[in-house]
This record gives sequence, structure tokens and C-alpha cells, in this order.
Amino acid sequence: KAGVTQTPRYLIKTRGQQVTLSCSPISGHRSVSWYQQTPGQGLQFLFEYFSETQRNKGNFPGRFSGRQFSNSRSEMNVSTLELGDSALYLCASSTDTGSYNSPLHFGNGTRLTVT
Amino acid sequence: GENVEQHPSTLSVQEGDSAVIKCTYSDSASNYFPWYKQELGKGPQLIIDIRSNVGEKKDQRIAVTLNKTAKHFSLHITETQPEDSAVYFCAATSRGSARQLTFGSGTQLTVLP
Repeated sequence: KAGVTQTPRYLIKTRGQQVTLSCSPISGHRSVSWYQQTPGQGLQFLFEYFSETQRNKGNFPGRFSGRQFSNSRSEMNVSTLELGDSALYLCASSTDTGSYNSPLHFGNGTRLTVT
Repeated sequence: GENVEQHPSTLSVQEGDSAVIKCTYSDSASNYFPWYKQELGKGPQLIIDIRSNVGEKKDQRIAVTLNKTAKHFSLHITETQPEDSAVYFCAATSRGSARQLTFGSGTQLTVLP
């Protein structure tokens, strides 16, 4: 079974621009979560989607948004990019059976560099 | 909110020795504690997890222990091998599911041949 696929792997953007990152979950997984990873702040939860609805949201500004499609694929968008948005953005999926038997499976991330 | 502290930040061991990484958490309601291994250029990979109703869990050379009273949990790797070299993260959640995790700051484990 294919793992979580994130595209693109690398992105370079300029301050003020916006960016869209894509995530395809493992087949059959209905929950998609996004995390930001930086050397200074570590791994931080952004938001989680299930059945096209945002179910949980972390402590990030409104410039960070996401959505999920009917096929469970997800995108996240960052508008008005700042230098501090440079990070590895990780997508994770789970089956979400409502129990702990559905752990997170991460993709290899999109490395975003803002110049 | 939940806060997870992880120690040490770096750990070097000789091949064949054991490695121990420790984490403490702040939210007494936390009840799920996974451990992830991240290799260079890759995303975190789940290696073992433990629920709050279990004190210890083993999977071959890896074991995790949980002390709910003291609010700490530990990862034990025995008979370390060079391929165990990676960054290890502990995490905790009290959200009733495994999806919204609070991570520790990571431990860079180096296994010296």
C-alpha cells in the first residue's frame, strides 16, 4: 500500500506570496492532519480534517488554512508568506476508527523556503 | 495546553549498548503516548506507542515504559545498531484520539560502530 504522498518536495517562495501544498493520504484513511516542523519550534500541530471538515486547529494565524476533498486528499495554503514560515510541512493520515488503533502515518514533507 | 519535555537532546552510544530517552508531560488527562523515528530527509515514522492503561510495551529491541503518577514515559532501545541512528520524538495527546499530538523536542541518537 502506498504511503502518504506530499507534493511538491521543495518550494522556494518570496515574502508576500502565497503557496499551496498537497497531500494524498494512504488509501482508506479519512483523517488528514498537518504539522509544521522547524528547528526552533519543533513539530507543531496545524489542523486536522475529516470528511471535508476541519475538526481541530492548532495555534497558528489565519494565514494558514486548509481543505479536504471528497477523496480525502488535502491541501494547505499559506498566504502572505513571511520569512518565519520557512519550515518542513508534514502531512499525516489515519484511519480514524475513533480509537487509538489508528495512529498517524506521516509523509516525507514539503520543504518550504521563504526568501 | 499539553507540554512535553524530552531529554537528552543528543545521545551517543556504542553499537550493541542500550539507549534510553525520557519524556515528561504536563496534562494528567493525556492517555496516548507514541514514539516516532525520523531519518534525514524523511517524515517521522511510528515505532511504538503506549496507552495509559498499560505500564510497559515491548516490540523486539524497543520498549516503552509509562509512569502515569510521575507523568513520564521512556523509550528503551537494546542492542543498538548503526541503523538506529536518527532523531527520536516522543509525543502525547489528551484529545481522545491519536491525531492531535504534542511532540517533544527530539533526541538525536548516534550509534557508533
